[in-house]
Amino acid sequence: NAGVTQTPKFRILKIGQSMTLQCTQDMNHNYMYWYRQDPGMGLKLIYYSVGAGITDKGEVPNGYNVSRSTTEDFPLRLELAAPSQTSVYFCASRGATGAQPQHFGDGTRLSIL
Amino acid sequence: QQQVKQSPQSLIVQKGGISIINCAYENTAFDYFPWYQQFPGKGPALLIAIRPDVSEKKEGRFTISFNKSAKQFSLHIMDSQPGDSATYFCAASTRIRGSTLGRLYFGRGTQLTVWP
Repeated sequence: NAGVTQTPKFRILKIGQSMTLQCTQDMNHNYMYWYRQDPGMGLKLIYYSVGAGITDKGEVPNGYNVSRSTTEDFPLRLELAAPSQTSVYFCASRGATGAQPQHFGDGTRLSIL
Repeated sequence: QQQVKQSPQSLIVQKGGISIINCAYENTAFDYFPWYQQFPGKGPALLIAIRPDVSEKKEGRFTISFNKSAKQFSLHIMDSQPGDSATYFCAASTRIRGSTLGRLYFGRGTQLTVWP
């Protein structure tokens, strides 16, 4: 099993550019999440989804958009990249029953210059 | 506002020693308290977790101590090894819309270094 796969691993963007961070999971998990991790700040929830077609905002959603057309995929879109969005982005997924752990991908390191 | 406060920010321990990381929270609605371990270039991975109806949970060299009245919980790593060198995050979870969704609020992390 691949688990949670994120692409790309690294990316440099110019201010104002847009891009989509890809996330796919092969565990048939209903719940998926996007976090950003900044040094010394822990992980902050950007958006989450409870299933295909259902998404909701987390703590820091401004500047981002998501969609969930399938169970497997949960892409995160940056429309107008800003330096404040320089961060490491993690996607996670979780099964729907009980206290199941969140499974994380290995992250996308994004720099906005 | 940081929902979960974690200390220390960094910790250096000698091989064989005990590593202790502390976390505190305010929201009494939190009902699940996991610890995640993260190695450089990797995503966090669940290490151990506890529910508030127990005061301690042990898995191998890793123990969570939980004090519900003080709203504090801690991770103890016994016989610390160089391979334990990583960043550790405590987290707390609450339900969303009455479901078991488990939205996680993370502490800021502790960078543990174990010297051989």
